[in-house]
Amino acid sequence: NAGVTQTPKFQVLKTGQSMTLQCAQDMNHEYMSWYRQDPGMGLRLIHYSVGAGITDQGEVPNGYNVSRSTTEDFPLRLLSAAPSQTSVYFCASSGTSGGPGTSTDTQYFGPGTRLTVL
Amino acid sequence: GQQVMQIPQYQHVQEGEDFTTYCNSSTTLSNIQWYKQRPGGHPVFLIQLVKSGEVKKQKRLTFQFGEAKKNSSLHITATQTTDVGTYFCAGSRGNTGKLIFGQGTTLQVKP
Repeated sequence: NAGVTQTPKFQVLKTGQSMTLQCAQDMNHEYMSWYRQDPGMGLRLIHYSVGAGITDQGEVPNGYNVSRSTTEDFPLRLLSAAPSQTSVYFCASSGTSGGPGTSTDTQYFGPGTRLTVL
Repeated sequence: GQQVMQIPQYQHVQEGEDFTTYCNSSTTLSNIQWYKQRPGGHPVFLIQLVKSGEVKKQKRLTFQFGEAKKNSSLHITATQTTDVGTYFCAGSRGNTGKLIFGQGTTLQVKP
């Protein structure tokens, strides 16, 4: 199993450009989430999904859109990039298929996308 | 909304010294989880605590969950350079697939 994969690994955008960060998981997890990580701020939840066709906002959703058309994929769209969106973005999945000592909340993270907006 | 606070933000120790990071939630938690992120890497699950007052050990790491299920700690005995990284606690209010992360504690270990 590849686990959670993210593309691209690095991206530089100009202010106002749009792009989509891709995320896929092959663990048949029900839940998927997007986080952003900024120095001193920890991991902040942007959007999450409890299943195909169902998404909800997290702590910092403004400027981002998501959709979940399949269990495996959960892309994050930046409609009009701003310098404040410069960050490291992590996708994570969780579900009922985890091992002993885990729960449906246990997050399995992808390798991240480092985004710079100029 | 629910908040999870973690202290300290940074800790520098000499190899062999002990290290502790503390986590406090504004609300009662269903479970608390701990993750480790190596420099340049992604967070990796370490452990989950569910029961009030629970204590779990993983080699030199000891994890505690408070009696009120609102606070937790991670203690590392005799740190090694391989312990370097950022440690995050994350709280859940139920099996929702959603966690609220603390700000993390970044540990530096001087050999």
